[in-house]
Formats: sequence, C-alpha cells, structure tokens
Amino acid sequence: GAVVSQHPSWVICKSGTSVKIECRSLDFQATTMFWYRQFPKQSLMLMATSNEGSKATYEQGVEKDKFLINHASLTLSTLTVTSAHPEDSSFYICSAELRLARAPDQPQHFGDGTRLSIL
Amino acid sequence: AQTVTQSQPEMSVQEAETVTLSCTYDTSESDYYLFWYKQPPSRQMILVIRQEAYKQQNATENRFSVNFQKAAKSFSLKISDSQLGDAAMYFCAYRGNAGNNRKLIWGLGTSLAVNP
Repeated sequence: GAVVSQHPSWVICKSGTSVKIECRSLDFQATTMFWYRQFPKQSLMLMATSNEGSKATYEQGVEKDKFLINHASLTLSTLTVTSAHPEDSSFYICSAELRLARAPDQPQHFGDGTRLSIL
Repeated sequence: AQTVTQSQPEMSVQEAETVTLSCTYDTSESDYYLFWYKQPPSRQMILVIRQEAYKQQNATENRFSVNFQKAAKSFSLKISDSQLGDAAMYFCAYRGNAGNNRKLIWGLGTSLAVNP
C-alpha cells in the first residue's frame, strides 16, 4: 500500500526556535498534501492544503506566517513552525493524496505524525 | 457546509463480541465518499473502510463492515469478533467530490475499549 513518511517523529526544542517537519510520499506522487494538528483526545484539525507547485491554502484562523508550508515536489511537503512557542506544542500529522481523474476515490494516506514539544 | 457527527465519545465491547459505532453527516452534495479511520495509541491514522456514496452495497473489509443509509445520512461501522488490537479511537470522515474540495471533514471520534 501507499506509504507516507513523516520526519521527525518527535522533537523537543527551546522557545523561539524554528522547526521543520517533512512529509514524503514514498511510492506515489502526491498531487495534494494536507497538514493537520491534533490535540490530545481530540479530532484532527486541518491546518492547510498544499498542491505541488502552488501556494498552500490555509484554513481560517491558521497563521500562514507562523506555519510555513512548502510543496516543491510531488513527493515532498514541509511544514515549518517559525519562532515556536509552548502553545505550538502539539501533534502534527501530514497526509498525501494522489488525485486521478480515472480513480477519484483515492483515500488520503497519513504519515505517522510528529510530536512537537516547545520548552 | 458539511458536518460529521459521532455521538458516542466512548464505547466498550467484550472481546469476540460485536460493536457498532455510529456516524451521521450532513451534506447537500450527491457525490461524496465516507471513511472510517482508526487511530491506536501509537497515533498512526489507519484507513479501516471507505464507501462511495453512489454505491448502494455496503462496504466490507474482513471483520469490519458499514451500514450506509444514504437517505438517513448515516454511516455506522460494525466490528465483528472484536479483538484487543481493535482498541483505538475511531474517526468517521466525509469527503466531497466537487472540484478541488478534497479535504476531509472529521467527526470528533469514538474511543473504543475492548475488554478481555
């Protein structure tokens, strides 16, 4: 099955640091990637949708200058949390999707998530 | 706007028994997809089953099956012969098929405990 690799799985850093999270589709070309944030015992909250080669579309209330998303290739998207603060501590998950006109029912494939802790 | 409702925050089942998790949704679209995802303590999101709205036949994947009632906008998940490894959060999700609207709309989840 389709595999999405997300790295790092866990990061602890000091307040004010910028942190980059990578999301790679290993065996397919992802036309669209999604970034989610999940608080403990809660559902996934979509942060942004990125299509390869274009600017990400951010959900309402998500600061695009705070959460920089780059989707430079069909297999890689990155989320950079700039000047991270303790309130940015959370679990971040990416997903990737291959959109095929002949098979529109392709599901999203998820990375294993990144646990971000800001001290 | 589309919404997904999971009315059972927590459920429990005895090992080897059957449990049904409920999910209802609201949409004005006629063409869409519905999914159940499982999130175990490892927090990995695992696709359990999916249903295309245009298909009347309920989807089945081994011990997992759905009861899709399109008119009632209901999409429940039945887990048969429950196993300890089925303990997890289960999320119901909706996705439209119109244009570029590919994002998933999520329910709040149901935490399933499996008792030995």
